[in-house]
Amino acid sequence: GQNIDQPTEMTATEGAIVQINCTYQTSGFNGLFWYQQHAGEAPTFLSYNVLDGLEEKGRFSSFLSRSKGYSYLLLKELQMKDSASYLCAVRAILTGGGNKLTFGTGTQLKVEL
Amino acid sequence: DSGVTQTPKHLITATGQRVTLRCSPRSGDLSVYWYQQSLDQGLQFLIQYYNGEERAKGNILERFSAQQFPDLHSELNLSSLELGDSALYFCASSLGGDSYEQYFGPGTRLTVT
Repeated sequence: GQNIDQPTEMTATEGAIVQINCTYQTSGFNGLFWYQQHAGEAPTFLSYNVLDGLEEKGRFSSFLSRSKGYSYLLLKELQMKDSASYLCAVRAILTGGGNKLTFGTGTQLKVEL
Repeated sequence: DSGVTQTPKHLITATGQRVTLRCSPRSGDLSVYWYQQSLDQGLQFLIQYYNGEERAKGNILERFSAQQFPDLHSELNLSSLELGDSALYFCASSLGGDSYEQYFGPGTRLTVT
């Protein structure tokens, strides 16, 4: 099976930097994703890591260590609109073929003035 | 706007009933995924279709079934509905069967009374 852990809530200040951690345990690892989801809306894709290291995309960066089963999402220059739930998701290859994406329960980020 | 459409947006029905949710993927995408998001369970992968065939199966109940039609739209059928089936149902699409980026539709909010 798969197990994904991320903090339930975080609070940060506008303009600051925040790091959201995610640890996972899975077999057949085939990539780690971060999605942003505003309440009642669809998740939107933020980043994808399949190799160890840092992927940077504007104000957002994501890091992966496969040996440690660990990832983080780094958000810089926080804006009020970044207040949302951030979902860590792990993709695993299924024995019968295909891939399954398993989501963590999400980290609710609140950005304050 | 992700390009994925889902209908209806809201659905209210009674226990024991059957409903059908519809999804049209982005133009050119061959894969469709179905997810259920409830407050206590987070986002759960249900099933994936690729070019008309079932490709991967997640935590889908036997009361639920899905299919993908030749025009690539997909339907999720939920029968013998229970109160616990009340949730947001998301459809996502991707270009290929193993593409890493999934685009989510706006979701269908199902309320079972």
